[in-house]
Amino acid sequence: GAGVSQSPSNKVTEKGKDVELRCDPISGHTALYWYRQSLGQGLEFLIYFQGNSAPDKSGLPSDRFSAERTGGSVSTLTIQRTQQEDSAVYLCASSPGQWYSPLHFGNGTRLTVT
Amino acid sequence: DAKTTQPTSMDCAEGRAANLPCNHSTISGNEYVYWYRQIHSQGPQYIIHGLKNNETNEMASLIITEDRKSSTLILPHATLRDTAVYYCIVRVETSGSRLTFGEGTQLTVNP
Repeated sequence: GAGVSQSPSNKVTEKGKDVELRCDPISGHTALYWYRQSLGQGLEFLIYFQGNSAPDKSGLPSDRFSAERTGGSVSTLTIQRTQQEDSAVYLCASSPGQWYSPLHFGNGTRLTVT
Repeated sequence: DAKTTQPTSMDCAEGRAANLPCNHSTISGNEYVYWYRQIHSQGPQYIIHGLKNNETNEMASLIITEDRKSSTLILPHATLRDTAVYYCIVRVETSGSRLTFGEGTQLTVNP
């Protein structure tokens, strides 16, 4: 079946511009996660959505970062006034929702801020 | 989540079994052990997970010691496409279901 889909696969933007990254989770998955991975670094948790519960935003690095999930499905990660240190691969994952369920990742959006 | 310790890198000959160790000596009774791998330029791929019993699927086997303080991921017949970074993660319910990734083990399968 279809996996987690992310778009765009690559995004180049100028410093100071806003960007939106999209994630389409696996159908029926109630949990959705955003991570980012800087060059040569490990995965850094950003935000977690579970059903209709308030999202866990504890990993967002600054108030320039926000995310929403409309209708319990598609999610958008927005970065305002991008900085060069925001350059990274942004990964989305979804899971069926039970806390022990494995996460299934997309292939990410590579963001380059020039 | 309990901290895990993995070797930084390992090599394996193509066609041989790859045995990737992971230490998690502070694991609690309600923490699962998960294994993921990440091939260059792709998102992490789920491999297998377990609580205390050994597990096997089409990709790999997971052997967890009786005291649960360590585990081994076994790829029975490694291929060149198994070259990747392998992450061992322990996950507890109270962590809000997130996975915390460490540095992982770079496995290189050689022809």
